[in-house]
Amino acid sequence: GAVVSQHPSRVICKSGTSVKIECRSLDFQATTMFWYRQFPKQSLMLMATSNEGSKATYEQGVEKDKFLINHASLTLSTLTVTSAHPEDSSFYICSAFGQSYNEQFFGPGTRLTVL
Amino acid sequence: QKEVEQNSGPLSVPEGAIASLNCTYSDRGSQSFFWYRQYSGKSPELIMSIYSNGDKEDGRFTAQLNKASQYVSLLIRDSQPSDSATYLCAVNSGGGADGLTFGKGTHLIIQP
Repeated sequence: GAVVSQHPSRVICKSGTSVKIECRSLDFQATTMFWYRQFPKQSLMLMATSNEGSKATYEQGVEKDKFLINHASLTLSTLTVTSAHPEDSSFYICSAFGQSYNEQFFGPGTRLTVL
Repeated sequence: QKEVEQNSGPLSVPEGAIASLNCTYSDRGSQSFFWYRQYSGKSPELIMSIYSNGDKEDGRFTAQLNKASQYVSLLIRDSQPSDSATYLCAVNSGGGADGLTFGKGTHLIIQP
């Protein structure tokens, strides 16, 4: 299967700061990337879908001005949590889809803790 | 609103027995169905995908789909302690290019 990486794997920041999370498809071109969020003992919730070179499509209830997504190339998407607050503390997971496969490949996730 | 329902468990199964996991979904337009395994603190990994009614077998795993009943199941034969994890059911309206709607997962415990 294909490999997706995320960086950083863990980040702790102060309230009010911005945090950028990178998602890379290492051995395939990802035409679509997805960002999910998982709170403790909850399931994954889709936040947004991004296609290379296009604006991201956000799910209902997700603030697009707070969660900035950039998918500038076929191998990289970034999620920036702006002015992070403690309630944004969560496990953020990206996935990538390439047309040579018929499934999404998930990154290892980024655990964000906002103090 | 699309919903995927699973019994949260925990489901406790003796080693070597068959574990049966169930899932129902609300959106009749769903076309693709997936089972993921998630260990604590890790991201999900794909176990099975199924797209048409009936059974699909892969090693010790069998996925079953009944679109009329909006029901998906996963059977794990010869359960091993390493199978202990949370199993997530996920659906979408198309193939891999659509975002997934996940259930809350069933926590499976295989007792040695």
